[in-house]
Amino acid sequence: AQTVTQSQPEMSVQEAETVTLSCTYDTSESDYYLFWYKQPPSRQMILVIRQEAYKQQNATENRFSVNFQKAAKSFSLKISDSQLGDAAMYFCAYRSAMGAQKLVFGQGTRLTINP
Amino acid sequence: DVKVTQSSRYLVKRTGEKVFLECVQDMDHENMFWYRQDPGLGLRLIYFSYDVKMKEKGDIPEGYSVSREKKERFSLILESASTNQTSMYLCASSPPLGGGGGPQHFGDGTRLSIL
Repeated sequence: AQTVTQSQPEMSVQEAETVTLSCTYDTSESDYYLFWYKQPPSRQMILVIRQEAYKQQNATENRFSVNFQKAAKSFSLKISDSQLGDAAMYFCAYRSAMGAQKLVFGQGTRLTINP
Repeated sequence: DVKVTQSSRYLVKRTGEKVFLECVQDMDHENMFWYRQDPGLGLRLIYFSYDVKMKEKGDIPEGYSVSREKKERFSLILESASTNQTSMYLCASSPPLGGGGGPQHFGDGTRLSIL
């Protein structure tokens, strides 16, 4: 079974600085998807970024980018120019490219932005 | 925009009661999911459904059942509520794999307290 591990329960960063959230996963599959979701206090889970395992290029969405290391099974999220609105719980998630489309989530990292 | 609507934002029930959590999506998605979110554990899959009247157990199905009579509606049922089922419950939907690995879209969650 696949597992996802986020080893940082909490992180904090100064506004306008850069922060990196870590995520590792374990799988025997070669084709899969990886996601970062954001959950602000409003509780709405919002997709931040998605990476397809067969693509070597790291995904980027505006200030958000990932460092995908397939051999190391690592998928970190970098937030540049942090803003107060980035404060939230961040979840890393794995999904197989075949079969059931269920997501396997990490434990989450609570990110605080200091003004 | 995809809209996933959960019937209650907060719910308080008593031990032994039968509890229904309702979820409706408006994007004609085949797949629907119920997750439970607990601090330090992330989100864990309870049940999912990939078609009307079809259901599959997730990682923690004990004490729960589901119903999917119509494509847009997926209900989670706590047969006899217990205090250890106090949690946040999140519903999600997604298109089939043929849709290019579309991400899951989440509702706002129901915070359920069992007294």
